[in-house]
Amino acid sequence: KQEVTQIPAALSVPEGENLVLNCSFTDSAIYNLQWFRQDPGKGLTSLLLIQSSQREQTSGRLNASLDKSSGRSTLYIAASQPGDSATYLCADYNNAGNMLTFGGGTRLMVKP
Amino acid sequence: NAGVMQNPRHLVRRRGQEARLRCSPMKGHSHVYWYRQLPEEGLKFMVYLQKENIIDESGMPKERFSAEFPKEGPSILRIQQVVRGDSAAYFCASSPRVEPYEQYFGPGTRLTVT
Repeated sequence: KQEVTQIPAALSVPEGENLVLNCSFTDSAIYNLQWFRQDPGKGLTSLLLIQSSQREQTSGRLNASLDKSSGRSTLYIAASQPGDSATYLCADYNNAGNMLTFGGGTRLMVKP
Repeated sequence: NAGVMQNPRHLVRRRGQEARLRCSPMKGHSHVYWYRQLPEEGLKFMVYLQKENIIDESGMPKERFSAEFPKEGPSILRIQQVVRGDSAAYFCASSPRVEPYEQYFGPGTRLTVT
């Protein structure tokens, strides 16, 4: 059974800092991996999808990497802003591509 | 192209009543997924449907919960005889039939059982 773990569970940083969020998964036979953002009381916003054949994806100040052999993914946020404050979730697709297993999330607070 | 739509956004039910949650997938998407987020817990997969077929319901509670995705109309998640433990946010996602099958999420329905 796939398990996804995110460390740290919570993180508080001053504005402007670069930061890394970590995600690990137990079964390397994943299909794809996706990073989401969730604001309090809201739905999920997709940030980046990394296909199993890829090693990283970039969008603006965000960069996500995937290392299947070690069972890890990281989300790098450059020059953090208060508007980045949210919970960040990673989730991997099972090898059929039809079920997401979510980590518990990292709650990020960026202080002005 | 409208995103995934869910209604109602908030639903209050008394114990023992039925709850019906609706999900309209994105245009062109034929795969629908339901997830549940219990208070202070992570999102958990419940069920995966295609038109008129349940493909994987391994995450659905065995009793009181059912889901459908009819040929016409939205997907419905139905909870019979709700209990306080059913209070949660229920999210629907949809994906196209082609790879990489990326799932797009709706805003969720927040169910409160009193």
